[in-house]
Amino acid sequence: EVQLVESGGGMVQPGRSLRLSCAASGFTFDDYAMHWVRQPPGKGLEWVSSISWNSDRIGYADSVKGRFTISRDNAKNSLYLQMISLRVEDMALYYCAKDITVAGNYDAFDIWGQGIMVTVSS
Amino acid sequence: QSALTQPASVSGSPGQSITISCTGTSSDVGSYNLVSWYQQHPGKAPKLMIYEVSKRPSGISNRFSGSKSGNTASLTISGLQAEDEADYYCCSYAGSSIPYVFGTGTKVTVL
Repeated sequence: EVQLVESGGGMVQPGRSLRLSCAASGFTFDDYAMHWVRQPPGKGLEWVSSISWNSDRIGYADSVKGRFTISRDNAKNSLYLQMISLRVEDMALYYCAKDITVAGNYDAFDIWGQGIMVTVSS
Repeated sequence: QSALTQPASVSGSPGQSITISCTGTSSDVGSYNLVSWYQQHPGKAPKLMIYEVSKRPSGISNRFSGSKSGNTASLTISGLQAEDEADYYCCSYAGSSIPYVFGTGTKVTVL
């Protein structure tokens, strides 16, 4: 079964850091680009960051650029999101998602994790 | 990058067809045939319904169809069913610098 499981969320104070992880199983992880998408409580989806299958292409939303770093470890079938200088507006449910296209350009998000909550509050 | 514009809500009776629009710009929807649509039920993760404007992933009903004209993409749900009641989001590739932009979301209500 194709599965993505996020971990590492929790409650932090503004200005602190957090590292999210996403464990992948059921597919050849290093064949696919991976993505992070977030959803603030009661609001819509917001794309956060993407990384190509071999990490040579990385993109960030303007709202997180310079503060968040996406990375992957293909040997461990894992995706990461390092978040520093967290702000109240970063509070959201964070999803990792798999790209639908094998070893190609970015396309669509066909498999999603269950999401992990990040709460930023003093 | 601004969010793509969707109607806040669309409703229809069982069996009817509805269409959700998704308006972007010549930098995103208008430039790439990489528009996707996601269905999200309350408390659940989003589910891919349409990708590359009009393709359906395996297992998605052919009642769901997608199209694009200029800077506007559309999702049509035909033969509306109670289980189609959910939030729907469009998403477009927007270039290598900031690859993706989501739509504002549309709540579909089955009357």
